[in-house]
Amino acid sequence: AQSVTQLGSHVSVSEGALVLLRCNYSSSVPPYLFWYVQYPNQGLQLLLKYTSAATLVKGINGFEAEFKKSETSFHLTKPSAHMSDAAEYFCAVSEKGSARQLTFGSGTQLTVLP
Amino acid sequence: GAGVSQSPRYKVAKRGQDVALRCDPISGHVSLFWYQQALGQGPEFLTYFQNEAQLDKSGLPSDRFFAERPEGSVSTLKIQRTQQEDSAVYLCASSSLGREGGTGELFFGEGSRLTVL
Repeated sequence: AQSVTQLGSHVSVSEGALVLLRCNYSSSVPPYLFWYVQYPNQGLQLLLKYTSAATLVKGINGFEAEFKKSETSFHLTKPSAHMSDAAEYFCAVSEKGSARQLTFGSGTQLTVLP
Repeated sequence: GAGVSQSPRYKVAKRGQDVALRCDPISGHVSLFWYQQALGQGPEFLTYFQNEAQLDKSGLPSDRFFAERPEGSVSTLKIQRTQQEDSAVYLCASSSLGREGGTGELFFGEGSRLTVL
């Protein structure tokens, strides 16, 4: 069984400030981990994914995430927030060896303040 | 097409009506997934196809939900006798991978928003 917990359903940051969105997972087997972004009335877009290569993963739009097995975490960061980063972000896990389905967290709404 | 296309984008149904939601995946994508996203929640897995075979339907919430992909391309999610709790956005996603162990990206459509009155 696998699950994802995203701490903080709403996060607000000032433009130019650090973005930190938290994700913890549980999985009975080595996981694959993903971050997706969803803009209003749009589908989900993949930001980045961890598939057991480098633990620090770089994605699109300046985002990155670090896989920490000891903490079962995969937090998403960006050094400097931009207004266009305002969106909902979802962390997801799938079990290694099976690409059949993703289990998503409940999402974090990011607001960027001018 | 260039991306995953879903129709209708918005559907309002009276309780008890049947609805059909269509998904047109990226051309050549073997795998197709349906997810249900309730308001304020993350997407939840409904069912998965590899070509025309429905390999996993464990997420379908009741026998009122039925999905098909008869020719391994376009898929239809059908909900019979809709209930208010069926109100949600239904997301379709496709992937080029059709085997175990793949890590390929899922490409999502914009979703079909169903409102049951």
